[in-house]
Amino acid sequence: GAGVSQSPSNKVTEKGKDVELRCDPISGHTALYWYRQSLGQGLEFLIYFQGNSAPDKSGLPSDRFSAERTGGSVSTLTIQRTQQEDSAVYLCASSLVGSRTGRETQYFGPGTRLLVL
Amino acid sequence: AQSVTQPDIHITVSEGASLELRCNYSYGATPYLFWYVQSPGQGLQLLLKYFSGDTLVQGIKGFEAEFKRSQSSFNLRKPSVHWSDAAEYFCAVGAGGFKTIFGAGTRLFVKA
Repeated sequence: GAGVSQSPSNKVTEKGKDVELRCDPISGHTALYWYRQSLGQGLEFLIYFQGNSAPDKSGLPSDRFSAERTGGSVSTLTIQRTQQEDSAVYLCASSLVGSRTGRETQYFGPGTRLLVL
Repeated sequence: AQSVTQPDIHITVSEGASLELRCNYSYGATPYLFWYVQSPGQGLQLLLKYFSGDTLVQGIKGFEAEFKRSQSSFNLRKPSVHWSDAAEYFCAVGAGGFKTIFGAGTRLFVKA
């Protein structure tokens, strides 16, 4: 079946511009996660959506970052007034259900590689 | 605070040799532990996970990992490495509150 898809696969932008990154989770998965992977770093948790509950935004690094999930499916991560330090791979993952214990297996998309010039 | 440490940034092994990737975690309760692999240009794929029970966990592609509570470790092993195993490997802990904490990763190089 179809996995998690992300678009675009690559994005080059100029400092100060806004960007939108899209994630299509696996059909039927109610939980969706965004991570940032900087060069040589592990995955940094950004935000988590679970069904219709309020998202856990505790990982967003600044108020320039926001995300929404429409209809419980597709999610968009928006970065406003991009900075060079925002350059990274942005990974989306989904899981069948969310879990406060963190035990759910997450299925990852291929990521969007963002380069801010 | 919860954390995951992968002490080796990169490792090089010969094809056919055995492999062990180290992972240490810090978490107050019994953790949920995962190993993921990321091939170039690909997303992360789950290799195996530990929740409870038998501390030796078998995964896909011939990998296994052993949970050692006394050492706070969850090392990944494979008895014979194949060239296709060259990738980056991430250890992670499900630390509650929806978050999964990932290590910085270990890049595996396989030489012929």
